Amino acid sequence: DAKTTQPNSMESNEEEPVHLPCNHSTISGTDYIHWYRQLPSQGPEYVIHGLTSNVNNRMASLAIAEDRKSSTLILHRATLRDAAVYYCILRRPTSSGNTPLVFGKGTRLSVIA
Amino acid sequence: DAGVTQSPTHLIKTRGQQVTLRCSPISGHKSVSWYQQVLGQGPQFIFQYYEKEERGRGNFPDRFSARQFPNYSSELNVNALLLGDSALYLCASSLMTRANTEAFFGQGTRLTVV
Repeated sequence: DAKTTQPNSMESNEEEPVHLPCNHSTISGTDYIHWYRQLPSQGPEYVIHGLTSNVNNRMASLAIAEDRKSSTLILHRATLRDAAVYYCILRRPTSSGNTPLVFGKGTRLSVIA
Repeated sequence: DAGVTQSPTHLIKTRGQQVTLRCSPISGHKSVSWYQQVLGQGPQFIFQYYEKEERGRGNFPDRFSARQFPNYSSELNVNALLLGDSALYLCASSLMTRANTEAFFGQGTRLTVV
């Protein structure tokens, strides 16, 4: 499986934008880039995913480098509720459709009021 | 709509005992996956089931087993518990198993082995 590299931790001020980086230099052409986050004492929750083009949804934006070897999750205005561990995950389609999520250690985001 | 529900939320077992954890997926979801999360680490994949068939297995010993029922709920069984099995066990459901399908997680079962 292609691996991802994320900073262990990041800090942001409330209501400021946050850019969470992820490196995935061994990504294959069919790998989707997914982001999940895990709030304290909860299971992970889906944030966003993309393949090649930048993506936006109500939670965040995903910026994917042209060579796809890196991506950035963008929270436009961080709130205290965004304090969580953010996981960048590559998922590859297979003929059987079996694509479990492979989590690393993620980035622990702290938001300061 | 109810999300993924897991039971029990917490339990304490003694080394050598057996435990059964339960998961009810979101209505309409046919795929259920199990993950183990030890403190300070990301979740690790244990099993995936789709339409009652095992579709994937992570690097866990044979003491771990699972099954999916006709109503798509699932059970994870762990035999001969070890102290190292203490962890948060997470269940995730999704519509299907494709790579671009969102997974929905329950809040997990916190297992403590003493």
